[in-house]
Amino acid sequence: DGGITQSPKYLFRKEGQNVTLSCEQNLNHDAMYWYRQDPGQGLRLIYYSQIVNDFQKGDIAEGYSVSREKKESFPLTVTSAQKNPTAFYLCASSNDRALQPQHFGDGTRLSIL
Amino acid sequence: QKEVEQNSGPLSVPEGAIASLNCTYSDRVSQSFFWYRQYSGKSPELIMSIYSNGDKEDGRFTAQLNKASQYVSLLIRDSQPSDSATYLCAVRLGYGQNFVFGPGTRLSVLP
Repeated sequence: DGGITQSPKYLFRKEGQNVTLSCEQNLNHDAMYWYRQDPGQGLRLIYYSQIVNDFQKGDIAEGYSVSREKKESFPLTVTSAQKNPTAFYLCASSNDRALQPQHFGDGTRLSIL
Repeated sequence: QKEVEQNSGPLSVPEGAIASLNCTYSDRVSQSFFWYRQYSGKSPELIMSIYSNGDKEDGRFTAQLNKASQYVSLLIRDSQPSDSATYLCAVRLGYGQNFVFGPGTRLSVLP
């Protein structure tokens, strides 16, 4: 079955550490997205990519980085510069480039140790 | 004013009743509107989209759009306990690609 796989499901970060969240899709979608969700808040866009080797900052990109070397993969790195990383991170994809997410992964819950 | 606003809830309705979820948005020229359902601890799932004024029905779900009032709603008829979830409104604001989610309304359907 086609879908989006995020790993790990739970992740803990130590002070000053960079961590990378994995996102893989087998839907052959061009566009991929990373969102952050905090309790009681909607999804906020971190980064998006509409095509391989290209990506754009979303509304809250500071403290995060991404790469898009393959169509299937869009990993997100939470750097030590992100001072409040505790949140639920969702990866999504769509078969158009209109910034409307159609399919979501199951999410990664990141916490600080 | 926030770009997309929803009452956070929780909205509690008895099983079999109609649940009404509301959303307002700030940009008058917005053209595309979406409803996502998110079960606790899970990812959102797109359930409805609406682009024109009026009602759009899909099974027990009806989306209603009033662009003059900058208001979009989701009605769930014959509510079931399995409908208990957070419902996120999303809007493509203006004419561009700015796609914004509201904070969501938590719905609880009581057996």
